[in-house]
Amino acid sequence: GQQLNQSPQSMFIQEGEDVSMNCTSSSIFNTWLWYKQDPGEGPVLLIALYKAGELTSNGRLTAQFGITRKDSFLNISASIPSDVGIYFCAGQGRDFGNEKLTFGTGTRL
Amino acid sequence: DVKVTQSSRYLVKRTGEKVFLECVQDMDHENMFWYRQDPGLGLRLIYFSYDVKMKEKGDIPEGYSVSREKKERFSLILESASTNQTSMYLCASTLDRPYGYTFGSGTRLTVV
Repeated sequence: GQQLNQSPQSMFIQEGEDVSMNCTSSSIFNTWLWYKQDPGEGPVLLIALYKAGELTSNGRLTAQFGITRKDSFLNISASIPSDVGIYFCAGQGRDFGNEKLTFGTGTRL
Repeated sequence: DVKVTQSSRYLVKRTGEKVFLECVQDMDHENMFWYRQDPGLGLRLIYFSYDVKMKEKGDIPEGYSVSREKKERFSLILESASTNQTSMYLCASTLDRPYGYTFGSGTRLTVV
């Protein structure tokens, strides 16, 4: 099955630094989602993007839906210790009624 | 808030055992999913279901089966557990696009 290319795989940063990660696909998606997984828990939805070019913020998090519909970016500003975790991108396809998500391999922060 | 509950956080089973992982959601969601999560591989879809008694194979269905007898409950079955099925298993549900999934807390299964 298809998986998204997510980078970087892991990052070590200092508190207060900004963080950027991205996800690319060979397929077009209608929806991009970003999740965060804390240790020992399931992923939790952070941001959802529904239109090409859309830029959406959630507190210190900002995500963008790429113009080509084949990529998405997540930025975290002024990182704090509780930002530690694994971040996953996910794309949802164009097929009507197809609810399946394709997930990236994760970025461990 | 939608709650997706997985019956066990940790399980240890022996090779060859039949294993049942249970997942229950409380918001009348149509769609339910089972993923496994392994380091470096992200989340891989095992099976999913769009309705009661309906199931479809995901990307890695081999060695697994599922059951959805009631809308709120989606069970993953390992017919004969093997060590390569040691993993974190995540259940998710969603009402419809474009809302994304709600995940359970996961079941970490170890097969010895």
